[in-house]
Amino acid sequence: DAGVTQSPTHLIKTRGQHVTLRCSPISGHKSVSWYQQVLGQGPQFIFQYYEKEERGRGNFPDRFSARQFPNYSSELNVNALLLGDSALYLCASSPDPRAETQYFGPGTRLLVL
Amino acid sequence: QKEVEQNSGPLSVPEGAIASLNCTYSDRVSQSFFWYRQYSGKSPELIMSIYSNGDKEDGRFTAQLNKASQYVSLLIRDSQPSDSATYLCAVNMEDAGNMLTFGGGTRLMVKP
Repeated sequence: DAGVTQSPTHLIKTRGQHVTLRCSPISGHKSVSWYQQVLGQGPQFIFQYYEKEERGRGNFPDRFSARQFPNYSSELNVNALLLGDSALYLCASSPDPRAETQYFGPGTRLLVL
Repeated sequence: QKEVEQNSGPLSVPEGAIASLNCTYSDRVSQSFFWYRQYSGKSPELIMSIYSNGDKEDGRFTAQLNKASQYVSLLIRDSQPSDSATYLCAVNMEDAGNMLTFGGGTRLMVKP
């Protein structure tokens, strides 16, 4: 069975640009969560989506947005990139928002220059 | 602010020893607790979950939970060099769906 997939694996952008990161959950999973992990820190929750609706949002600015598609895949968009947005962006999937266990994808490493 | 705290380490143990990793959390109503292992440059991998007070064993790993003290720990018996990684403690707050709040992680080094 395929696990959570994310694309691209690595990305380099410059300040002010925008970026779109993509995630496909495990087959049968309907909930997708996004986390940001800055080097040397634990992951921080950004968004959770379930059945195409936002179910939770972390303490991130409005430059961060996301959406979920009918096939349960998801996109994370970040506008007006800052140097501090450089991080590993992780997608996690679960059957539903109440499921106890989440499974993480390999992540997208974003470097903002 | 709800927080999860871990000693950043590094925690260095010799091969074959027991590694003890600790985590405290601030939210008294937290219900679910997880330990993730993260190798350098990789994504977190779930190794243990625990929901009730006491010990839970899985192979060489034992998770311990004390809700009264707001404390969760992970013991790794017979530590191997391949256990060298960062261990992340994560807590699922009661009113947050399955949103996880992570600690900063403890870096474990197992020396041959």
